[in-house]
Order: sequence, then C-alpha cells, then structure tokens
Amino acid sequence: DVKVTQSSRYLVKRTGEKVFLECVQDMDHENMFWYRQDPGLGLRLIYFSYDVKMKEKGDIPEGYSVSREKKERFSLILESASTNQTSMYLCASSLEGAGLYGYTFGSGTRLTVV
Amino acid sequence: DQQVKQNSPSLSVQEGRISILNCDYTNSMFDYFLWYKKYPAEGPTFLISISSIKDKNEDGRFTVFLNKSAKHLSLHIVPSQPGDSAVYFCAATFNNAGNMLTFGGGTRLMVKP
Repeated sequence: DVKVTQSSRYLVKRTGEKVFLECVQDMDHENMFWYRQDPGLGLRLIYFSYDVKMKEKGDIPEGYSVSREKKERFSLILESASTNQTSMYLCASSLEGAGLYGYTFGSGTRLTVV
Repeated sequence: DQQVKQNSPSLSVQEGRISILNCDYTNSMFDYFLWYKKYPAEGPTFLISISSIKDKNEDGRFTVFLNKSAKHLSLHIVPSQPGDSAVYFCAATFNNAGNMLTFGGGTRLMVKP
C-alpha cells in the first residue's frame, strides 16, 4: 500500500513564525498535493507538483510556498504564519489518472497559529 | 464560486437503512467523480469513483449514481452501519485538469445503532 507520511500530527506556532510542513510518500508517485480542510469549505488546494522542482499554484496559494527537491518529498512553507492559517493540512500523492484511482492522503497536520 | 457542492452538511440514518449523500457540480467539463470518506484525525480515503460515460458504479454496499443532465451525483450506502459514520467528500476532475481534484464541502454521516 502507498503510504503518505506527514511529519507532525499537531503543531502550535506563533504568529509571524516561519512554518514547515513535511510530507513524504513511498511509492514513486509523480504528483503531490497540499490541501487545507476547513469546516464547511471542504478541501481546498494550496499547491501541487507534477515532478521534482516543479510546482503549480492551486486555489488558495497566498501566504504559502512549497518545495520539492526530491520526488518523494513535498514541503509546504508558511512564510509568516497568521491566525487565519489555523487549519488541518492534508498532503496527498497520486499516479497519473487521479480521476480513476484517486489520491492517497496522509493523516493530516492540525496547525494552530496563536 | 464552488464548482462542487454538497448542500447537506450532515445526515443522520438508522443502522440498516439506506444512506443517500448528494453532490452537485457546475463545471460540465468534469468527467470523473470520486467519493472519499474521512474519519476524525485521519486523512480521507478513496471510496468509489465513476466516469462520466457511466451512470452507475457499484462496489459492495456502496453505489454511486451520476445524472449528467442534472449535474448531480449521489452515493448510496446500503445497508448503513455504525462504522460508516464519517465525513464524506465528493470530488471531481477532468482530463486536462492536471490530476487536480475539486472537492465539495463534505457531509457528516451519523449512523445510529
């Protein structure tokens, strides 16, 4: 089974801090994604990547950046954390054809910015 | 503007009965649709999908129906079990979407014993 591992389950950070959320997948998937989940809003795409060193903005990229230096690792960076970035962050990976086979998600990181 | 909508934030069903979760979409380019299930403190897990060339796909207790003319899909769970209690997300994509999925807001299903 594909495994997507997010380094932290819970994080508490202060406003203005630079925050790194790490995600690693072990099945050589080309595509990796970062979503945030908020009540009533579902999952909203922040950034995604098709390959090493490639990145594309999703629907809500403001305040975030990403890094993909190796195929298996996709990092989400909050340049200067703000309270409105308090959320559940979900990383996912997929092969080509996500429509048929779907994504594999990590367990999520619940980030609280105080 | 949400392209995928789940208008019912919650649904409560008795064990053994049918659960019907609904999803509407606006983008006629969508050609694949998926349902995910999410338990608290876990990531969503893929449940079932359907291509737009079909109107029904069945997998055990789970059946997804697609009505393209109405831009509507539904997930039927029969019979419902307490372990089905979770948040269900529908999602959609299309061939040129670069493997991006667009998700609905989710419906919390509670199956009462």
